[in-house]
Amino acid sequence: GESVGLHLPTLSVQEGDNSIINCAYSNSASDYFIWYKQESGKGPQFIIDIRSNMDKRQGQRVTVLLNKTVKHLSLQIAATQPGDSAVYFCAERPGGYNKLIFGAGTRLAVHP
Amino acid sequence: DSGVTQTPKHLITATGQRVTLRCSPRSGDLSVYWYQQSLDQGLQFLIQYYNGEERAKGNILERFSAQQFPDLHSELNLSSLELGDSALYFCASSQGTGDPKNIQYFGAGTRLSVL
Repeated sequence: GESVGLHLPTLSVQEGDNSIINCAYSNSASDYFIWYKQESGKGPQFIIDIRSNMDKRQGQRVTVLLNKTVKHLSLQIAATQPGDSAVYFCAERPGGYNKLIFGAGTRLAVHP
Repeated sequence: DSGVTQTPKHLITATGQRVTLRCSPRSGDLSVYWYQQSLDQGLQFLIQYYNGEERAKGNILERFSAQQFPDLHSELNLSSLELGDSALYFCASSQGTGDPKNIQYFGAGTRLSVL
């Protein structure tokens, strides 16, 4: 499949460990944040989202934390599995606009 | 499967040519978004249409244009192609517009190679 972002930062974890992927966003007026997962040869896939009036949201095996003070977003994946191997993007929605601004992405590599 | 359909999957063309990329949104979605993904620029928003009308514009070149038809499918037209236009082009769709809870669901993309 195609390689996206050959020079992306890579997080390597052991299967079963917890993963934490970090993202710094740029616009203090952003009101909504999303994490997407992109597997090789596929489009970005929605994982979880959070509004700016929250600081934590949990999904199935995933948790997103938002720290507006330092404009930081993180995605925690519990009990990481080989199927979690992909590139993960955070995206922010600048307040009042419909577009999403994507971060550079982080490649997650899960080793058995 | 996100429900967003993009055609073609791959497109190889020469500099100076013109191509059209097609997107069918998920059933019931009124908004269509176009993004460009290149190795050096990451995912960049190009343009959004909502129910046939342009709603937001991003880093879209003047050589590029888009439209959304009455059946809600959208086309992205790229003309006078340059080597640097080689990239993955994604279409996303959402139910509406404005409310941030309108999650954008992405298609599998069209890979454009300009030789």
